[in-house]
Amino acid sequence: DGGITQSPKYLFRKEGQNVTLSCEQNLNHDAMYWYRQDPGQGLRLIYYSQIVNDFQKGDIAEGYSVSREKKESFPLTVTSAQKNPTAFYLCASSREVDEKLFFGSGTQLSVL
Amino acid sequence: EDQVTQSPEALRLQEGESSSLNCSYTVSGLRGLFWYRQDPGKGPEFLFTLYSAGEEKEKERLKATLTKKESFLHITAPKPEDSATYLCAVQSWGYGNKLVFGAGTILRVKS
Repeated sequence: DGGITQSPKYLFRKEGQNVTLSCEQNLNHDAMYWYRQDPGQGLRLIYYSQIVNDFQKGDIAEGYSVSREKKESFPLTVTSAQKNPTAFYLCASSREVDEKLFFGSGTQLSVL
Repeated sequence: EDQVTQSPEALRLQEGESSSLNCSYTVSGLRGLFWYRQDPGKGPEFLFTLYSAGEEKEKERLKATLTKKESFLHITAPKPEDSATYLCAVQSWGYGNKLVFGAGTILRVKS
């Protein structure tokens, strides 16, 4: 079945540590996205990519980095510069940037 | 700046008790309004896209409508399995095609 796979489901970060969240899709979608979800708030866009080897900052990109070396993969690194990383992270994809999003099952990141 | 406000924040219904969820929005020019359903600990699942005022779409017990300032998600005779968080998002012509999400409405349906 086609879909988006995020891993791990749960992740713990120590202070000063960088961690990477994985996102893989087999939908053959060009556009991929990373959102952050905090309780009581709407989803906020971190980064998005419309094509391989290209990506743009979203509304809250500080403290995060991404790469898009393959069409299927869009990993997100939460760096030590992100001082409040605890959140539910969602990866999404769409056929084109203005079409409906398909979401993965999310990664819950917590700080030890 | 595009903004989306959803109300109520939470809604409790008895099974079979119909109601509506509201999504009020402010955009420079609406390209599309999206409704998603999200179960706890999972990613949102697409429900509907509405593009112009007066448009309506239905899926099982759900019906979405759109005006120039707001959208409603009507739930007819809900069942416990309809319990979830319902998210609204808007896409404007002047915001690089990115979606702006509301905080969601948490719906609980009791049997």
